[in-house]
Amino acid sequence: GENVEQHPSTLSVQEGDSAVIKCTYSDSASNYFPWYKQELGKRPQLIIDIRSNVGEKKDQRIAVTLNKTAKHFSLHITETQPEDSAVYFCAASRRMDTGRRALTFGSGTRLQVQP
Amino acid sequence: DTEVTQTPKHLVMGMTNKKSLKCEQHMGHRAMYWYKQKAKKPPELMFVYSYEKLSINESVPSRFSPECPNSSLLNLHLHALQPEDSALYLCASSQVGHSIDTIYFGEGSWLTVV
Repeated sequence: GENVEQHPSTLSVQEGDSAVIKCTYSDSASNYFPWYKQELGKRPQLIIDIRSNVGEKKDQRIAVTLNKTAKHFSLHITETQPEDSAVYFCAASRRMDTGRRALTFGSGTRLQVQP
Repeated sequence: DTEVTQTPKHLVMGMTNKKSLKCEQHMGHRAMYWYKQKAKKPPELMFVYSYEKLSINESVPSRFSPECPNSSLLNLHLHALQPEDSALYLCASSQVGHSIDTIYFGEGSWLTVV
């Protein structure tokens, strides 16, 4: 099965700095890589995703890069703000027969943005 | 509408009780999921339904029994649970066989087994 490793487990940055979270995956058949943000006591919310036919995707202050050869992908947050403080999960997914997907999550990164 | 609705939000049950968690979505998604999340851990896949049929069961104990009555509803029946089953149970849904693969999570049901 798929195995996703995520680093670092905790990350503390000053407001305005950039934050980078890295993930590696094991299954070369994985082709969809979402990132979720989970605030305390709340549901995981999709913040950005990337498919295996794309190397980079950006949405305002958030960007994700994918290196299929090395099987790793990264989340980049620029100009961090206190409201970015949360736990971030990467995930890898492959399409199975009948079209359903199975998501495997990384272990999570607790990001703290200091004002 | 990108809502996945779960009830109840909080549930406390004894080890001999029988209870159910419910999930509903009206996005026309034909894949629905149950995940379990312990504190400070990532969500772990429990079950996947595709077109109302169970397609993945991640070796979950039989004290958890899923049910998909129709394309909008997903239940998780609970019986004879253990204290270590206390967790956040997340329902999710997605389209099937479509280029858009976004998986939407509900707010979750916080379960405490006493």
